[in-house]
Amino acid sequence: AQKITQTQPGMFVQEKEAVTLDCTYDTSDPSYGLFWYKQPSSGEMIFLIYQGSYDQQNATEGRYSLNFQKARKSANLVISASQLGDSAMYFCAKCSGNTPLVFGKGTRLSVIA
Amino acid sequence: GAGVSQSPRYKVAKRGQDVALRCDPISGHVSLFWYQQALGQGPEFLTYFQNEAQLDKSGLPSDRFFAERPEGSVSTLKIQRTQQEDSAVYLCASRRTGEGDSGNTIYFGEGSWLTVV
Repeated sequence: AQKITQTQPGMFVQEKEAVTLDCTYDTSDPSYGLFWYKQPSSGEMIFLIYQGSYDQQNATEGRYSLNFQKARKSANLVISASQLGDSAMYFCAKCSGNTPLVFGKGTRLSVIA
Repeated sequence: GAGVSQSPRYKVAKRGQDVALRCDPISGHVSLFWYQQALGQGPEFLTYFQNEAQLDKSGLPSDRFFAERPEGSVSTLKIQRTQQEDSAVYLCASRRTGEGDSGNTIYFGEGSWLTVV
């Protein structure tokens, strides 16, 4: 079974500091995609960043970067220069071929002024 | 539209009532997904459409749940004889491409918050 593990139920970070949100996954698929989504209290799932399993370089999107370690099956999200508006739930997700997107349980990030 | 649109945003149903939740995906998107998200949990897959074909309904929790996408665009998730355990956020998502493409981004709507009392 596809399983996504996010071991941090909650995280605190000081404004302007960097924070890493952990994600590990199970897979036997040779090709897959890894996603991070942000879910504020309004409920919408906002796409942040994508990493393909064959991508040679770690994905980056503005203040978001993905620390992809394929051998360890981990895809940690790094948020640099945290802002108060970054406070939200963050979900790691994976899909491959014909398998729909599978989510982890999420990490609640709180940014402190 | 510019994004995935869902309605109603909020629905309170009495136990035993039938409800219908609507999803308007991004125009031209081939794939459409429904997810159920209980409070404090990650979204759980319900069903998947490629155009009008329902290719995967393995996540539907019971035969009270039914989804359709008759013309390959708008989709409706119907829950019959609602129970309290059906209370959750129902998220719809769409993707530009079809099955077998793990690389294209999946975009979500804001969800329909269902409370069964």
